[in-house]
Amino acid sequence: GAVVSQHPSRVICKSGTSVKIECRSLDFQATTMFWYRQFPKQSLMLMATSNEGSKATYEQGVEKDKFLINHASLTLSTLTVTSAHPEDSSFYICSARPPGGGDGNQPQHFGDGTRLSIL
Amino acid sequence: EDQVTQSPEALRLQEGESSSLNCSYTVSGLRGLFWYRQDPGKGPEFLFTLYSAGEEKEKERLKATLTKKESFLHITAPKPEDSATYLCAVQENPKGGYNKLIFGAGTRLAVHP
Repeated sequence: GAVVSQHPSRVICKSGTSVKIECRSLDFQATTMFWYRQFPKQSLMLMATSNEGSKATYEQGVEKDKFLINHASLTLSTLTVTSAHPEDSSFYICSARPPGGGDGNQPQHFGDGTRLSIL
Repeated sequence: EDQVTQSPEALRLQEGESSSLNCSYTVSGLRGLFWYRQDPGKGPEFLFTLYSAGEEKEKERLKATLTKKESFLHITAPKPEDSATYLCAVQENPKGGYNKLIFGAGTRLAVHP
């Protein structure tokens, strides 16, 4: 149980292109999902918390207009990197936390990430 | 500022050679410490949650322990398939916000036959 699916797994595109990444919780409903960014041999850095039916909460230093988050349903959140440039190249990972046990008492389960390469 | 520091950065073991990974943390109000395993090009896979000092969890060759300042991940008689990056994360709850995880940089473990 607690499977999170992320799509696509890899994207290579030209500078200026907008890229959409999907994150789905396959066997549970998630009111909250999380988006992370990871550079090679570095830790996961939280970018934003995605909330179903409301605006996402962005971490300090993350551009809201650059990284658009939509949490359209209890099983789907999307991250759109708008007008992507080479410096946006990274590994983007989403996660979701199953319900139950009170807020935070269930672990976050992660998708397999999206490798984004901007040429 | 809340911080998570993992050591060593990298560890090379022979198959069967037991060892421990360390995760030290400073957080104003710990709401859980999590261990994950991450294989190259994949997302983290959940291993353990620890909530209070003295708590221990075990799974196959792995055992996680927690004190007020640090956590250890003990690996007993490791096998090559245990090779991965092991991530430690603490959960905090900023005032008025959502519970969120702060990750350490990880320990890259390589187990050789």
